[in-house]
Amino acid sequence: DIQLTQSPSSLSASVGDSVTITCRASQTISNYLNWYQQRPGKVPHLLIYAASSLQIGVPSRFSGSGSGRVFTLTISSLQPEDFATYYCQQSYMMPRTFGQGTKVDI
Amino acid sequence: QVQMVQSGGEVKKPGASVTVSCKASGYSFPDYYIHWVRQAPGQGLEWMGWINPQSGGTTYAQKFQGKISLTRDSSISTAYLDLISLTSDDTAIYYCARDNDARYNYLDPWGQGTLVTVSS
Repeated sequence: DIQLTQSPSSLSASVGDSVTITCRASQTISNYLNWYQQRPGKVPHLLIYAASSLQIGVPSRFSGSGSGRVFTLTISSLQPEDFATYYCQQSYMMPRTFGQGTKVDI
Repeated sequence: QVQMVQSGGEVKKPGASVTVSCKASGYSFPDYYIHWVRQAPGQGLEWMGWINPQSGGTTYAQKFQGKISLTRDSSISTAYLDLISLTSDDTAIYYCARDNDARYNYLDPWGQGTLVTVSS
């Protein structure tokens, strides 16, 4: 199975900060990498697919980049509603796997 | 709009089985795979498997082989997750989610989740 390792596991930031979360795959996955946000007590929802494509309706302060084994999710100008846990997920190979999550505290 | 609506929470005793349903609406049910994802209390997301509603074909994560069965009833646009031989480790929220792209297979939208509690 492809292992996805996110770093950091948690971070604290302030409103207006820019934060970057990294997701490293145990083998190359091209750009088959998606990012999800899960607010506390809520359902996960899609932010970015294919490593860098922003899902419709997601604010432009979210961006993704990377290819191969290393990927990043950047949130520029952090907002209070961005307090959440973020997960990467690979869709290159079965079984689909998720990273362990990165909790962002505001 | 596209919606996935899951059945309500369940409380089961160890050794029992449970079925979670996921009713899709707003799109052509046969055209998109459906994923199932588990989230244990305070833990991360774990992909369990998916079903092709057109053919009924399934793929399961190895961890869940023999533990789950995915089925569907296309006449009512509903997918099902059967969990057998429940233990306390199966206490979790179970989500269904539509596969949204034939190439990148991202999950969107998700159902609201179904909490299954296993307790004696």
